[in-house]
Amino acid sequence: NAGVTQTPKFQVLKTGQSMTLQCAQDMNHNSMYWYRQDPGMGLRLIYYSASEGTTDKGEVPNGYNVSRLNKREFSLRLESAAPSQTSVYFCASSVQGMLDEQYFGPGTRLTVT
Amino acid sequence: KQEVTQIPAALSVPEGENLVLNCSFTDSAIYNLQWFRQDPGKGLTSLLLIQSSQREQTSGRLNASLDKSSGRSTLYIAASQPGDSATYLCAVQGGAGSYQLTFGKGTKLSVIP
Repeated sequence: NAGVTQTPKFQVLKTGQSMTLQCAQDMNHNSMYWYRQDPGMGLRLIYYSASEGTTDKGEVPNGYNVSRLNKREFSLRLESAAPSQTSVYFCASSVQGMLDEQYFGPGTRLTVT
Repeated sequence: KQEVTQIPAALSVPEGENLVLNCSFTDSAIYNLQWFRQDPGKGLTSLLLIQSSQREQTSGRLNASLDKSSGRSTLYIAASQPGDSATYLCAVQGGAGSYQLTFGKGTKLSVIP
């Protein structure tokens, strides 16, 4: 039981490049989330998926797109990376909805130059 | 907008001491409160979740209390150990009409052997 896994662990992009961050969970959870963590700030919600087939914007969605590929997988795409998107990105999941305890992945450290 | 504040930002204590970490939030209409632990370069590990109807939760040497009406929570760590060194994050669910988790910036704890 791996819990929540994220790939890659590290990534460096040039401004304007695109990439997709992958997240998968093996806990049979219905809800999944993407957060970003910046120095001196708390984690902030980018997008979430309450259940397979649904996605909703969080606090800071601009510049990102998401895909809930199936119940296990939830990806985050940066279409045209900007230096302001340099951050650590965390994926999380919960059994059923936001009010349940959330379990986090190890994070992806992204640098945009 | 819900805001979460954690005091102090950093704390250094000798091994064996009991300690208290503080968390305050601006909107008391919350559903629950979670305490997380984050080790350097790692993801978040959930420590305790307190429902809004509860006053406290205990797990081993950890005890978290919640005073919803005053917008405060404390995390008490008994008999601290060097392995407790990490950043502790407080997050509240709800408030300001949202189900989202709002995180504090964390308290960085160092336990000196």
